[in-house]
Amino acid sequence: QSALTQPASVSGSPGQSITISCTGTSSDIGAYNYVSWYQQHPGKAPKLMIYDVSNRPSGVSNRFSASKSGNTASLTISGVQAEDEADYYCSSYTTSSTLVFGGGTKLTVL
Amino acid sequence: EVQLVQSGAEVKKPGESLKISCKGSGYSFTSYWIGWVRQMPGKGLEWMGIIYPGDSDTRYSPSFQGQVTISADKSISTAYLQWSSLKASDTAMYYCARLEGIAVAGHFDYWGQGTLVTVSS
Repeated sequence: QSALTQPASVSGSPGQSITISCTGTSSDIGAYNYVSWYQQHPGKAPKLMIYDVSNRPSGVSNRFSASKSGNTASLTISGVQAEDEADYYCSSYTTSSTLVFGGGTKLTVL
Repeated sequence: EVQLVQSGAEVKKPGESLKISCKGSGYSFTSYWIGWVRQMPGKGLEWMGIIYPGDSDTRYSPSFQGQVTISADKSISTAYLQWSSLKASDTAMYYCARLEGIAVAGHFDYWGQGTLVTVSS
């Protein structure tokens, strides 16, 4: 099972909106609405930001939103803030009854 | 409050065995899958496998099948990840996490703090 494809890095200035893509196949992202997104700050455990494509857990800022089209999922952060600088990972359930993560995207706030 | 507390950092030699733990509290441990995730130094997250402590049903990623063993002791609300013969390439941070949602299709809503495993001669 190959990892989902994410850009290695994205950047944005405070207040801007940024989007991180996550590309899979018809055997994972395209097959189910079970895409999640995680935020990981250096030296910390990952944190769930989005689940089931577009749902935000309680306590996650509404500046974070996500969607899916075909085999590609996307995470958008509106009004990027310095505290959003972190690594972001997508994940998806697969037709092999496993979970697969993306390679991760480093967000830099300029 | 849901908590997953992992055992401390380990330094081992190649060929040695190891078992690390993840103790859950603040919720019904037998009602949620627990997963293990590897993060090699400077690299991304990798899904290793999951276990349902209620009946010890276990699923492995093909990449880790046969390389590690996942188990659980529901009497003490603890999940385990073990190796019978460590390799240098097993050096990584290992996270346990609770799986919320529909079995394997769920999402990891609570994470342990991580256990750093270093394998070096």
